[in-house]
Amino acid sequence: EDKVVQSPLSLVVHEGDTVTLNCSYEVTNFRSLLWYKQEKKAPTFLFMLTSSGIEKKSGRLSSILDKKELFSILNITATQTGDSAVYLCAVNGRTRGKLVFGAGTILRVKS
Amino acid sequence: NAGVTQTPKFQVLKTGQSMTLQCAQDMNHEYMSWYRQDPGMGLRLIHYSVGAGITDQGEVPNGYNVSRSTTEDFPLRLLSAAPSQTSVYFCASSLAGYSSYNEQFFGPGTRLTVL
Repeated sequence: EDKVVQSPLSLVVHEGDTVTLNCSYEVTNFRSLLWYKQEKKAPTFLFMLTSSGIEKKSGRLSSILDKKELFSILNITATQTGDSAVYLCAVNGRTRGKLVFGAGTILRVKS
Repeated sequence: NAGVTQTPKFQVLKTGQSMTLQCAQDMNHEYMSWYRQDPGMGLRLIHYSVGAGITDQGEVPNGYNVSRSTTEDFPLRLLSAAPSQTSVYFCASSLAGYSSYNEQFFGPGTRLTVL
């Protein structure tokens, strides 16, 4: 059975800090790993990763995948209060379009 | 494009009532899915569809039915609502294709309470 585990479950940081969110997975026939940000409404897409070692970057957010060790990290540098959200990791395995989600990491950035 | 739309936004049901949550997308996406989100549990897949006329069960299908008569619409039916079905429901859609590493687009969600 496909499984995604995220850590930590929650964390509180101060503005300007750098955070690293973790996602480990077990999935049959791995296709892709996706990161979403959720702020009290629908999840919004951040990154999709398919290849090991290639960093995806968008502004202060970046993510990388390790297909050998079966994990991904999401980094946020110079955090802002607007980064406060639940960050969800999901994997797409055997069936295209069928995502398995982790429980999410709740990030709170204090000013 | 309206993207993925869901109705209603909020709903309160009594135990045993039935209802249909509506989902529509105007992006010509082949894949559509229904998820439920409960505190501390992320999103769990209820049912999904890889195209019109084709549906399959996800992780938590019991108590729910779906159909996909058109590419655009993917309604979710609760046949006899139970308090355990109190949750936030999200519909999502995505493209298909051989290299279908595509992201899923989510609707705004329906908050359902079953008393």
